[in-house]
Amino acid sequence: GDSVTQMEGPVTLSEEAFLTINCTYTATGYPSLFWYVQYPGEGLQLLLKATKADDKGSNKGFEATYRKETTSFHLEKGSVQVSDSAVYFCALAAGNKLTFGGGTRVLVKP
Amino acid sequence: GAGVSQSPSNKVTEKGKDVELRCDPISGHTALYWYRQSLGQGLEFLIYFQGNSAPDKSGLPSDRFSAERTGGSVSTLTIQRTQQEDSAVYLCASSLAGAQPGDTQYFGPGTRLTVL
Repeated sequence: GDSVTQMEGPVTLSEEAFLTINCTYTATGYPSLFWYVQYPGEGLQLLLKATKADDKGSNKGFEATYRKETTSFHLEKGSVQVSDSAVYFCALAAGNKLTFGGGTRVLVKP
Repeated sequence: GAGVSQSPSNKVTEKGKDVELRCDPISGHTALYWYRQSLGQGLEFLIYFQGNSAPDKSGLPSDRFSAERTGGSVSTLTIQRTQQEDSAVYLCASSLAGAQPGDTQYFGPGTRLTVL
């Protein structure tokens, strides 16, 4: 069945550091790929998405590129802020449901 | 516009009791989903409704779990004879089209269920 694997956290960074969260997937067919973010005390929010190979999703300085050849969708941000502290979930949609990775907690220190 | 709303935000119940959780999707969204977020299992799909089609119940963990969607809008998730392992945050999401490439699911704030 479909599955998503993402790096375990927590990831602790200093402000303005570069952030990468690795995400790889296994799926039949051609899924859409998503990154969701959960800020402390808040619900899940869509951060970015990509629907086909080589698409790049971007939002709030975050980027991720749909790599079919490596079945990956790594999340990157060049310069993180304290406000980026959150739990990040990689997910795929193949059909009518989302399959999520385990989540990566990111803590950005001033 | 209004997002997905869920009620109650918190529910504490005793083992063996039944509970009902409610979800109001975004107006105009035809697809509605229930997920469960727990420490041990992460985020798990439970059930999917699309218009008037038969729901996809493939994620429901046992026959104690059921859900309905009335009038294509509000949905209720019912857990009968609750067990301690049912303790989790139950998330509802809705989307415009459902099962279409790139269709985005919008999540509610969740109901935190604690079974004592």
